[in-house]
Amino acid sequence: QQQVKQSPQSLIVQKGGIPIINCAYENTAFDYFPWYQQFPGKGPALLIAIRPDVSEKKEGRFTISFNKSAKQFSLHIMDSQPGDSATYFCAASGNTGFQKLVFGTGTRLLVSP
Amino acid sequence: ETGVTQSPTHLIKTRGQQVTLRCSSQSGHNTVSWYQQALGQGPQFIFQYYREEENGRGNFPPRFSGLQFPNYSSELNVNALELDDSALYLCASSAAGLETQYFGPGTRLLVL
Repeated sequence: QQQVKQSPQSLIVQKGGIPIINCAYENTAFDYFPWYQQFPGKGPALLIAIRPDVSEKKEGRFTISFNKSAKQFSLHIMDSQPGDSATYFCAASGNTGFQKLVFGTGTRLLVSP
Repeated sequence: ETGVTQSPTHLIKTRGQQVTLRCSSQSGHNTVSWYQQALGQGPQFIFQYYREEENGRGNFPPRFSGLQFPNYSSELNVNALELDDSALYLCASSAAGLETQYFGPGTRLLVL
């Protein structure tokens, strides 16, 4: 119940395309869903986060779509650029008394020029 | 405002040894969490410290221990190192009561 399942494992898109990364969860106690971007040799950097009370959130070129009934959420990257090539992780945390993030397995994105 | 910093950046140890990793939290943050990230995997929660006490722990054995100091900086100690402990160790800080965690660059540990 603590798992967050992420797909696809890897993704290749052309510059300007819209990669979509999907995540699913089982634990209904999760109430915070962030996405992180990680470049090789670096720590994860927070991109955008959403709570279950909204179905969509946009920040710049990044959009999260959230489907509470299906227990799924996804990241869309608009007008993708080669500089967006990185590994993306979805995560979730719940009201456990402490902030434990449960991460997906990651999606390696390559944006070709 | 300074971000989360970690030291050292890289470390090589042999099986059975002990290691201490250090983390300085982001300015204004009093909660520190530690994660282990194996190659090609997502980070796994080790434990979290708040007000110098461990207030949450993941599925890691007792040979993984930690400390938090009055200035909110933190240490991760791992005893009796095993080959499978080779990973990137990440520290994340957050403000009390807020879910958003900001990660440091990590310490790459190699156990031979």
